[in-house]
Amino acid sequence: DTAVSQTPKYLVTQMGNDKSIKCEQNLGHDTMYWYKQDSKKFLKIMFSYNNKELIINETVPNRFSPKSPDKAHLNLHINSLELGDSAVYFCASSQEVGTVVKYFGPGTRLLVL
Amino acid sequence: AQRVTQPEKLLSVFKGAPVELKCNYSYSGSPELFWYVQYSRQRLQLLLRHISRESIKGFTADLNKGETSFHLKKPFAQEEDSAMYYCALNYGGATNKLIFGTGTLLAVQP
Repeated sequence: DTAVSQTPKYLVTQMGNDKSIKCEQNLGHDTMYWYKQDSKKFLKIMFSYNNKELIINETVPNRFSPKSPDKAHLNLHINSLELGDSAVYFCASSQEVGTVVKYFGPGTRLLVL
Repeated sequence: AQRVTQPEKLLSVFKGAPVELKCNYSYSGSPELFWYVQYSRQRLQLLLRHISRESIKGFTADLNKGETSFHLKKPFAQEEDSAMYYCALNYGGATNKLIFGTGTLLAVQP
């Protein structure tokens, strides 16, 4: 009954590498999101896509590039990883733009060494 | 800038005791506030939203614009209420830009 799934759960990598996190939702929702929870536990929005189109880019460095091949998937690619990128990244979805976000993925814990 | 503050990292109560999880916000616009909950080994999920004015699992929360607060309350805590609780503010209107507090761990002792 997995609603929003993410892979991988854990990602440990070296500075300067490029990595991707994948997200899939099986709810038939139109809108998907990426959130970042930093070391101080603040959880903030990064991106939002509606039906494969970008609608929110919350001043995220352009090393972060979301890609939505279809409305059920929203992947996050990160180039030239930096120490400060270490965080937990959560994917989420909502029925459509303007509807409440009810479901989050389990999170991907990224550690950059 | 918008901000959500949850002053308590941990709140420990006994079963049957009243619970109040504090949340204060800072936002110049018309706030839309939520409580999310994460039970052990489960995902973050919506608990309630202020515009619904509903009671979910015995929890209620009232928006107090004068005090810029949205505290979560339950009159009698149950052990199954033990979880991380996050207060969140939507500052993006229809675009659902949520900013969360740092969370409060509620531990209900038997």
